Amino acid sequence: GQSLEQPSEVTAVEGAIVQINCTYQTSGFYGLSWYQQHDGGAPTFLSYNALDGLEETGRFSSFLSRSDSYGYLLLQELQMKDSASYFCAVNQGGKLIFGQGTELSVKP
Amino acid sequence: ETGVTQSPTHLIKTRGQQVTLRCSSQSGHNTVSWYQQALGQGPQFIFQYYREEENGRGNFPPRFSGLQFPNYSSELNVNALELDDSALYLCASSLLAEETQYFGPGTRLLVL
Repeated sequence: GQSLEQPSEVTAVEGAIVQINCTYQTSGFYGLSWYQQHDGGAPTFLSYNALDGLEETGRFSSFLSRSDSYGYLLLQELQMKDSASYFCAVNQGGKLIFGQGTELSVKP
Repeated sequence: ETGVTQSPTHLIKTRGQQVTLRCSSQSGHNTVSWYQQALGQGPQFIFQYYREEENGRGNFPPRFSGLQFPNYSSELNVNALELDDSALYLCASSLLAEETQYFGPGTRLLVL
C-alpha cells in the first residue's frame, strides 16, 4: 500500500521555528511536495524536493532524504497567518498522493 | 490566486442524483487533475486528464467520470450520488512534466 505519515497537530508561538516531519511509503516516487491550506481554501504550493537536500524559499525550507523516505518542512519566524493545515504529498509523475495533514496553530 | 477557477462554489444534491463540476485551468497548462477532500482529510486523487485523454486514475468507482476539452478546461461527473460523496472537490492544473500543481478554490458538495 501507499502511506504518508505526518503529525496531526503542532502548536508554536509567534516568532518561533517549527518543523513538520513526513515519512512516506509509496510504490512510485518523483519527489515530495508541500502544500498549505487555510480553512475552506485551496491548497497552495509551498515547496518541492526531487533530490536529497534542502530547498529554501523565504521563511520556508524543505528537506528530503530519499534513502530514508523522509522529509520535513521548516517554518521560521512564525506569524499568526501561518496557522493552517500543511500537507506533504508524494509526486508520482503528476499524480499527487497526500498525507493526512498537520494542523499548525500559532499562538501570540 | 492561481488562475484556476471552479464552478459552482457550493452545491446541494440528494442521494441518487447526478452532478457535474467544472474547472478552467491556468493559462498555458495542458493537464488537469481532480481530487476529493473529505473533512479533516488530505485530498485524494480521482483522475488526471492530459490533452483530452484520461492519464491515470485513483481508487474511485466508474460512476466518477471526467472530460477534458480542447481549451484544457475539464468536467467531473458523478452519477448515483451517495452520502459519502459529500466533500470538497478540487481541481489542479499543471504541465504534465512539471512538479507543481496549482489548485482551484474547490466545489463543496453536500449530498443529503
